Amino acid sequence: EAGVAQSPRYKIIEKRQSVAFWCNPISGHATLYWYQQILGQGPKLLIQFQNNGVVDDSQLPKDRFSAERLKGVDSTLKIQPAKLEDSAVYLCASSLIGAQDTQYFGPGTRLTVL
Amino acid sequence: SQQGEEDPQALSIQEGENATMNCSYKTSINNLQWYRQNSGRGLVHLILIRSNEREKHSGRLRVTLDTSKKSSSLLITASRAADTASYFCATVRGGSQGNLIFGKGTKLSVKP
Repeated sequence: EAGVAQSPRYKIIEKRQSVAFWCNPISGHATLYWYQQILGQGPKLLIQFQNNGVVDDSQLPKDRFSAERLKGVDSTLKIQPAKLEDSAVYLCASSLIGAQDTQYFGPGTRLTVL
Repeated sequence: SQQGEEDPQALSIQEGENATMNCSYKTSINNLQWYRQNSGRGLVHLILIRSNEREKHSGRLRVTLDTSKKSSSLLITASRAADTASYFCATVRGGSQGNLIFGKGTKLSVKP
C-alpha cells in the first residue's frame, strides 16, 4: 500500500514570498491533517479535513495560511506571505475514518524562510 | 497547546540495554499513541493504547497507561542502533475530533 506522498521535500524562499505544499493521502482515507513541526518540538496540528470539509482549523494562522482539499483527496497548504517564523517541517497525515484511527504521516516538507 | 510531556528529553544507552521513556498529560484522553521520528524523516506510528487499556505489547515495545496518574511509559527492550530516533507521545482528548496533541519528544541515542 502506498503511503502518504508530499512534495516538494525541501523549499527555500525569501520572507514575504508565497509557497504551496501538496499532499496525496493514502487511498481511501477520509481524514487528512496538516501539521507544523518547528525544530526541537513536536508537531502541531494546523488543519483537519474530513473528506473535503474542514473539521478543525483553530490553530491555522488564517491571515497567511490557507488549505484546501479538492474532491476529498489531494490537499494543498499555502503560505502567503511567509515570515521567518514559518521555517519548519510541514507534515501531512491521513487516517481511515478519523478520530480514533491511527494517523499515517508523509515524509514532510522542510521549509526555510530567509 | 501541548498536552504530553516526555521525560527524559534525551537518553543515551548501549546496544542491548532497555530504554524507558515516560509521558505525562493533563486532561482526560480517548487514547494515547507513541510515534518514532528518525532524523529528518516523517513520523512512524508505533502503538496506540486506549483509555480503558493498561498495557500493550508490540514486538520489542511495551506501553503502559495509568489514567489515574495521567501518565504512560514506553519500554524498548534489547535496543539496537537502529532504534536511535526521537520518540513522541501524542494524546487524543476525550470527546474531541481526534486531533493528536504531541509532546516535545525524547531523543534516544543507542550506541553500538
